[in-house]
Amino acid sequence: AQTVTQSQPEMSVQEAETVTLSCTYDTSESNYYLFWYKQPPSRQMILVIRQEAYKQQNATENRFSVNFQKAAKSFSLKISDSQLGDTAMYFCAFLPGGTDSWGKLQFGAGTQVVVTP
Amino acid sequence: EADIYQTPRYLVIGTGKKITLECSQTMGHDKMYWYQQDPGMELHLIHYSYGVNSTEKGDLSSESTVSRIRTEHFPLTLESARPSHTSQYLCASSPRQGGTETQYFGPGTRLLVL
Repeated sequence: AQTVTQSQPEMSVQEAETVTLSCTYDTSESNYYLFWYKQPPSRQMILVIRQEAYKQQNATENRFSVNFQKAAKSFSLKISDSQLGDTAMYFCAFLPGGTDSWGKLQFGAGTQVVVTP
Repeated sequence: EADIYQTPRYLVIGTGKKITLECSQTMGHDKMYWYQQDPGMELHLIHYSYGVNSTEKGDLSSESTVSRIRTEHFPLTLESARPSHTSQYLCASSPRQGGTETQYFGPGTRLLVL
């Protein structure tokens, strides 16, 4: 079974600053996907960024980037130039790549990010 | 932005009532999922479907049931609501294959059972 650990329950960052959220996972799979989702106060779950395990290049999406360390089973998210609208709960999620997984996402417990003026 | 819809967005209902939470997607995705999110924000998979006429129970035991008669529609039903069912319910979908396994989520239904 896979587990996803987010060790930071809450992070606070000032506008325009950078914050990094940590995520580690445990798996014996070699093929898998990793995701960061955000859930603002509206409770809508929004995809932030995704990473395929077979790709060595770290994914980037505008102000969001990841540091994927496959050997260390680490998948951190960096938010640059933080904006007030980034305030949300951020979830790290793991998806095994085999056909028998059938899309069973494993979510971490979440990290609450608060961006202050 | 994903085209996945959930209704109602909010529902307050009395104990013992039967309720159906609707979920529809217009992306032609084969796979659909229901998650329950507790007040501590942790998400639990309660049902999923590979396609029409396919439904499976997820990792968290749930008294709810689902059906998948059409590709785009995946309703969840509680035959007799109880206060323990109070939660947020999130529906999601993803394509069967094609190099992307990304799940796209609907806006959620917040259920309060009195």
